[in-house]
Amino acid sequence: EAGVVQSPRYKIIEKKQPVAFWCNPISGHNTLYWYLQNLGQGPELLIRYENEEAVDDSQLPKDRFSAERLKGVDSTLKIQPAELGDSAVYLCASSLEPINEQFFGPGTRLTVL
Amino acid sequence: KNQVEQSPQSLIILEGKNCTLQCNYTVSPFSNLRWYKQDTGRGPVSLTIMTFSENTKSNGRYTATLDADTKQSSLHITASQLSDSASYICVVTTRGGGNKLTFGTGTQLKVEL
Repeated sequence: EAGVVQSPRYKIIEKKQPVAFWCNPISGHNTLYWYLQNLGQGPELLIRYENEEAVDDSQLPKDRFSAERLKGVDSTLKIQPAELGDSAVYLCASSLEPINEQFFGPGTRLTVL
Repeated sequence: KNQVEQSPQSLIILEGKNCTLQCNYTVSPFSNLRWYKQDTGRGPVSLTIMTFSENTKSNGRYTATLDADTKQSSLHITASQLSDSASYICVVTTRGGGNKLTFGTGTQLKVEL
């Protein structure tokens, strides 16, 4: 069975440009998470979805970040415009239910120049 | 504030040697504690999970302990291998409220010949 799939794996953009990340969770997992991970740090939650509803987006910088999970399956995370400080790894994870183990994707490494 | 602190920040050991990583937490109310292994360029993968009533849990050469009274956990790696080189992240889940995860910053382990 395929795990959590993310694309692209790497992205290099100039500041002020938009960027989007895509995540396909494990089939049947109704909970999806987006995390930001800086070098040498643990992941930090940006947003959590239960099906298509964003149930926790308190840490999402809404002035430049947006996310959607249409039909409760795939999800996209967008940054517009990107800033230098957004350079990080963006991890997607999914779980069957919120109480279950989260399975992580490989992440998208974003570099903003 | 819920926090998870890990030590040491980094560690270098010779192949075949044992090592122990530490995790202290102030997360409340406590649900469970997981140790994750994160290889470079990959997402975290769960090694062990322990609930309040469990003191120890093993997964091959990995043995985790939990002292819920002192809010401390350790991860012991026996007979280390080069493939154990990774970041080991302690993650504590709160009970209820969407089961929020609090991540430690990780211990970067390097196993050398």
